[in-house]
Formats: sequence, structure tokens, C-alpha cells
Amino acid sequence: ETGVTQTPRHLVMGMTNKKSLKCEQHLGHNAMYWYKQSAKKPLELMFVYNFKEQTENNSVPSRFSPECPNSSHLFLHLHTLQPEDSALYLCASSQDLGSFDIQYFGAGTRLSVL
Amino acid sequence: GEDVEQSLFLSVREGDSSVINCTYTDSSSTYLYWYKQEPGAGLQLLTYIFSNMDMKQDQRLTVLLNKKDKHLSLRIADTQTGDSAIYFCAERGRRNTGNQFYFGTGTSLTVIP
Repeated sequence: ETGVTQTPRHLVMGMTNKKSLKCEQHLGHNAMYWYKQSAKKPLELMFVYNFKEQTENNSVPSRFSPECPNSSHLFLHLHTLQPEDSALYLCASSQDLGSFDIQYFGAGTRLSVL
Repeated sequence: GEDVEQSLFLSVREGDSSVINCTYTDSSSTYLYWYKQEPGAGLQLLTYIFSNMDMKQDQRLTVLLNKKDKHLSLRIADTQTGDSAIYFCAERGRRNTGNQFYFGTGTSLTVIP
């Protein structure tokens, strides 16, 4: 148990659906991250939030919309996704964005887009 | 090219040593990390090394850093079946606007009994 919980663990959605991924951390951290993990590709950073403010958006398509209502919760809203968006989506948190930091990861949401 | 590169697969026999290699590009990286991902789980920090160190040892794990060649390796001594997992190399770089973690593709280690 890493202190970072993601729900749901698995999600199957059609290209016209709207769904949301949820991440919650119980570690008192201030920074939260969304990553995309695809087979044979580097782990891809999508968004970074620090103290609820978005600090990084790595050219992610607008069909992915993050929301960070407080430092403990992070959402990823999904709409009109494409089959190539099928992947494992990982949430992580860290104390802040200091020079030395350790990220704690959730178990991920396995997303399949049909 | 990729910022952090790793080979995708490695197989070793139980009891042998495993060596997982990684190359990175950002010479300003101050810390380099190894994370482990077991099946159905997220990544967990295994160990890290500060950039002014050449080596760090922690029980069965040895991390070697060649800063000149930007090469990082993780050696697991006496590899066990429980070590089968995906191992990610990561660096903390200062690209663009701030500090970000940059991960490799992960190396899938299979330990053969």
C-alpha cells in the first residue's frame, strides 16, 4: 500500500463515452501527477499539479482534462477518446517539486477504448 | 532520440546476478532513480543515487553511475523469482519550466527457476 489510491482499476469505454479517473493520496503531499504507460514506450508524463495549480501540461490532447480540487485529489476526465489512448494511467504524488523528491504511485487504471 | 533509454527485456537464472542498464541525456540531473513495478501494481522506489556518487550499495542492490558517459546500472545479486518485475530508470531533469521526472521504457526482468 503506497498511500495513493486510484479508481477504477479497470475501465472499458467507447469512443463517444465520457468517464473520469480518480486519484486520492493520504500522504500529505503537495504535488500530484498523471502518467500514461504504454507497452514498449517510456513512461509519459501528462500533467503536474503543485498546490492545486497545474504546472505542466505535456502537449496532451484536449480530450484529456485534469482537475485538482485539492492537494489530496486528482481527476482525469476523458471524452471522445481514441483506441490509441488505451493504456495504463498512473497517478503519483510527491512532497513537492524540490530537487530531491520521491514519487509514490498508485496501482493505475487500465483503460481500454473500443 | 529518447531522453532515458533502457533495453526492454532481460532474463536470468535464479541465483545469478542481474544487471540492468540505462543511459540518460540530461547532464544537469542531480538524482537518478530506480523504480520497480510488479504485476498489477504501480511503480515503487527501489533505490536512488546522487549525481556526485559513483556507486551505492544497499543489500543485494548495487547502483553504478558513470556521469561522463551518462550511464546508470542496477545490479541485483543472487536474483530471486520475486525479483521478476519491470525496472524503470528515472532522472530528475531541469528541462523547460521546472523539475520533472523522466522515465525510461522499463526493463522487464524474468527470473528463470
